[in-house]
Amino acid sequence: EAQVTQNPRYLITVTGKKLTVTCSQNMNHEYMSWYRQDPGLGLRQIYYSMNVEVTDKGDVPEGYKVSRKEKRNFPLILESPSPNQTSLYFCASTTSSYEQYFGPGTRLTVT
Amino acid sequence: AQSVAQPEDQVKVAEGNPLTVKCTYSVSGNPYLFWYVQYPNRGLQFLLKYITGDNLVKGSYGFEAEFNKSQTSFHLKKPSALVSDSALYFCAVRDSYNFNKFYFGSGTKLNVKP
Repeated sequence: EAQVTQNPRYLITVTGKKLTVTCSQNMNHEYMSWYRQDPGLGLRQIYYSMNVEVTDKGDVPEGYKVSRKEKRNFPLILESPSPNQTSLYFCASTTSSYEQYFGPGTRLTVT
Repeated sequence: AQSVAQPEDQVKVAEGNPLTVKCTYSVSGNPYLFWYVQYPNRGLQFLLKYITGDNLVKGSYGFEAEFNKSQTSFHLKKPSALVSDSALYFCAVRDSYNFNKFYFGSGTKLNVKP
């Protein structure tokens, strides 16, 4: 079954404590993205990756890092989380015809 | 700047009635437009897309969308709504120059009443 998995699904942490949200896809897609979803704002792209070792900033990259060492994995790293990064995060994998498959989401709370 | 707008936060329709969820876009060049649906506690699911060709695009679950270039709109439609269609719907556009960038609308909550 084609899917995008994310872990953890829920995370409560404190300001400044580094965390990583993992993302993996089994469709051999080259393109992957991270989004955050906030009420009234829809989804905003944080980072995207065109292939292994090729990443670029989306619209809201501040405070986030990503890496793409393997084609299937695209982790999102928050090195020093702050309360304004409390949000719902989605990883997505994009087909060659630009349709996106989304993971189930990670609800992050930073206190 | 490229963007999409969903002017309605919420749409309410009765089961069996037709539904329309509105989307307008602003892009340079030819638009690549998408609709996604999000059910509670789930990720987004692809419904349909417009790239070129026929202005009426058919997608999953009986949904269709009408592309109107003169009005820069891409409204989502369904002839007969089901209670199970109740969800959050997002319109999105691909950047015309950077094919890996996407812009999403703020979402429209569809409530289909029995």
